[in-house]
Amino acid sequence: QKEVEQNSGPLSVPEGAIASLNCTYSDRGSQSFFWYRQYSGKSPELIMSIYSNGDKEDGRFTAQLNKASQYVSLLIRDSQPSDSATYLCAVNLAGNQFYFGTGTSLTVIP
Amino acid sequence: DAEITQSPRHKITETGRQVTLACHQTWNHNNMFWYRQDLGHGLRLIHYSYGVQDTNKGEVSDGYSVSRSNTEDLPLTLESAASSQTSVYFCASSERTGMADTQYFGPGTRLTVL
Repeated sequence: QKEVEQNSGPLSVPEGAIASLNCTYSDRGSQSFFWYRQYSGKSPELIMSIYSNGDKEDGRFTAQLNKASQYVSLLIRDSQPSDSATYLCAVNLAGNQFYFGTGTSLTVIP
Repeated sequence: DAEITQSPRHKITETGRQVTLACHQTWNHNNMFWYRQDLGHGLRLIHYSYGVQDTNKGEVSDGYSVSRSNTEDLPLTLESAASSQTSVYFCASSERTGMADTQYFGPGTRLTVL
């Protein structure tokens, strides 16, 4: 069983819509959760981190964490074509190791 | 500005050759990591280090080695390159911010083994 699971997509949304990206994880001891954005041919770039149950908002991005359901999501409001990328979910387990999902490809259609 | 760099950015080598990929960070982070990224597998941890003289194996460490002689550098060596090691390699370093460590990635090295 993979530590972190994501729907690989591709996910397509029209410009201005809300994009919803989902991630589940297997280890209940997971303490911190991250969303990275990766443009084609580039390295992952951190966009959000969340540690506590509930929502965390940063501009057009909202991360949601539900530890009971072992579920973390990322909402992108007012999606822009520049948001088209692959979004990686990452989980910090014991120590300083990170486990990454395989990523969800998002396309925002103008 | 502090940063993390990798070199070379692109490398083509032949099966059986030894290859070393460099990673250098100027953030003074203790923790450094090497990942490979392949279609369908996402980022997989190869080796990591929590400080000078400390190295640990990750999920896919066979055929790879690292050494940590200073805080800034964690070179990754492929002892005898194989075609299965054709991949994009990312180096990362992390710092503790608040409750958890946050990882930052280098630009990547695309390695092709012929």
